[in-house]
Amino acid sequence: KQEVTQIPAALSVPEGENLVLNCSFTDSAIYNLQWFRQDPGKGLTSLLLIQSSQREQTSGRLNASLDKSSGRSTLYIAASQPGDSATYLCAVTWGSGGSNYKLTFGKGTLLTVNP
Amino acid sequence: NAGVMQNPRHLVRRRGQEARLRCSPVKGHSHVYWYRQLPEEGLKFMVYLQKENIIDESGMPKERFSAEFPKEGPSILRIQQVVRGDSAAYFCASSLNPGQGMPQHFGDGTRLSIL
Repeated sequence: KQEVTQIPAALSVPEGENLVLNCSFTDSAIYNLQWFRQDPGKGLTSLLLIQSSQREQTSGRLNASLDKSSGRSTLYIAASQPGDSATYLCAVTWGSGGSNYKLTFGKGTLLTVNP
Repeated sequence: NAGVMQNPRHLVRRRGQEARLRCSPVKGHSHVYWYRQLPEEGLKFMVYLQKENIIDESGMPKERFSAEFPKEGPSILRIQQVVRGDSAAYFCASSLNPGQGMPQHFGDGTRLSIL
């Protein structure tokens, strides 16, 4: 069964700290992996998309890495700010069966950055 | 330069009524997806539509739920004879061709409450 797991479920850090969020997935034959941010009562904002052929993607203070062989991705946030407080979701698509459009989500990590 | 637009943002229905959720994709996107987020659970795929066609409805409950994406107008997710268990946040996403690894862009969701 293809599943996505995110640990920890919640994380609280002081402002300015660098942090890493973890995502693991079963079945290494992924098509791509996407990191999202969800604010309370809001929709999902796409942060980074990593294709299966890529090892990492960067956007500003965010860096996402992908290691298919170990079934893991990490989202690195540098110099965290209170505005980074949100739930971070990892979502994977697998190419098998032609279903490379079907996002499978983890349950997310709730990040709180304290001033 | 509007993103995915969903309405209404909040919808309250009594048991047995019908709920209609609307989604207008990003301009130029012809691929639409619906996901459901139940309380305390991750987002789950429901259905994938491409103009006038249902491509994959494997995540839709077999009864009471239907979806359409007509040639003109928004995509509609319709829930007939709603029950308490239908209370959830329903998110719509759109993309360019998923076969080219294009990211999905999400709306802010419709929060459905069943009395």
